[in-house]
Parts: sequence; structure tokens; C-alpha cells
Amino acid sequence: SYGLTQPPSVSVSPGQTARITCSGDVLPKQYAYWYQQKPGQAPVLVIYKDTERPSGIPERLSGSSSGSTVTLTIGAVKAEDEADYYCQSTDNSGTSVFGGGTKLTVL
Amino acid sequence: EEQLLESGGALVQPGGSLRLSCAASGFTFSDSAMTWVRQAPGKGLEWVSSISGSGGKSYFADSVKGRFIISRDNSKNTMWLQMNSLKVEDTAVYYCAEVPTPIVGTSTYFQLWGQGTLVTVSS
Repeated sequence: SYGLTQPPSVSVSPGQTARITCSGDVLPKQYAYWYQQKPGQAPVLVIYKDTERPSGIPERLSGSSSGSTVTLTIGAVKAEDEADYYCQSTDNSGTSVFGGGTKLTVL
Repeated sequence: EEQLLESGGALVQPGGSLRLSCAASGFTFSDSAMTWVRQAPGKGLEWVSSISGSGGKSYFADSVKGRFIISRDNSKNTMWLQMNSLKVEDTAVYYCAEVPTPIVGTSTYFQLWGQGTLVTVSS
């Protein structure tokens, strides 16, 4: 199996830019996906295939990839962006893995 | 409207069994692989199992391999997770999720999620 590593927490002030990283040896070969989860709710897909944004997700959220690290960037952060964010990837054997999750706090 | 609805969560003793159901509506069920993801109280997301759109291939996390069985009936738009030999560490909210392709592979991600069903394993 393989692992994806995220920082446990990130804090930003409203209006600033938040960057959440996800690192893993497999990421140069496999796509990464990002989910947002608010307390008591199911996760919501916010980025797929490293950089693509599903319909309905604000343009302030974007994804990027460089080598073994993918990054979720949230521009002009709002209070409503406060949530847990998870990266995820799946390999050719059908095994999926989630990162440990990052709690975004809006100060 | 696309929707997933899980059911079957309950309190069960260690060593017991439980079957979870996931009813799908609003999309062509057989065009989508399906997945179970769980979340222990206060913890992160953990992938549990996936099944291809035809039901012909299934995949399991090491933590549940040999104990859990995933299945689906495309005529009923329903997926199940049969959980046997349950352990305290299986306690979690179990979510079913839709994969927007019928094949499980490197393009597998979880587009549509249900609201989850709680499984508690305790004596």
C-alpha cells in the first residue's frame, strides 16, 4: 500500500490565500482528488484529476501538481471555507487511499 | 436528482455481522462503480471497498479483507456491504459513494456521497 501526507492544520485570516499540500510517492503517476467536509456532513468533491473543478465549486478553489506534491489553493478565504480537507488517490490495483486530512481554520 | 441513501447501521457485538445497503437514484447505476468509505468518530476518511459497475470486480482495504463482502444488484439500483467478524475498530460512519466510471483504476474518485449510516461495535 502507499500513503498520502497532509499537514494536520492550516490557519488563515479572511481574505487571505490558504494552501493545503498532499505528498506521496505515487502522485507523479496517479491523479489526486480533493474533498471538503464540514462538521456533521458528508464529504464533497472539490477538485478532480489534480486540477479540474466540478460544476458548482467556486473558482476560488484550485488544484495544482508538482512532482510528488499536489496543492489545494483557496483564494480570498471566507468563513464558510472552514472545514476538513482530504486528498485521495487510487492506484491501478483498485486500492484507494485518503490523506490524513487538514483542518482549515479561518481566524 | 442524483441521490444515495445508506441504511442498516446498528449497534452490534464484537464478532457479529451486519449488512449495510446503499440505494441509488437519479443516475444510470450500472454506469458507475461504487465505493464504501468509513469515518471513525473524530477521525479521518478511510477507504473500505469498491466494486465495478458490472459487479464483476471488487477491491478491499487490508483492514477488512477476508471479513467484508461487497455486492450490487443493478436491477435494484442497490449496493451492499456484508460485514462479518466485526471488531471494535470497525466502529464508524459508513458512507457509500459513486464513482463516475464503471471501471476502478487511477481515475477513480468519489463524486456523489450519501449521508452515511453509523455502525457501532461494542459489547
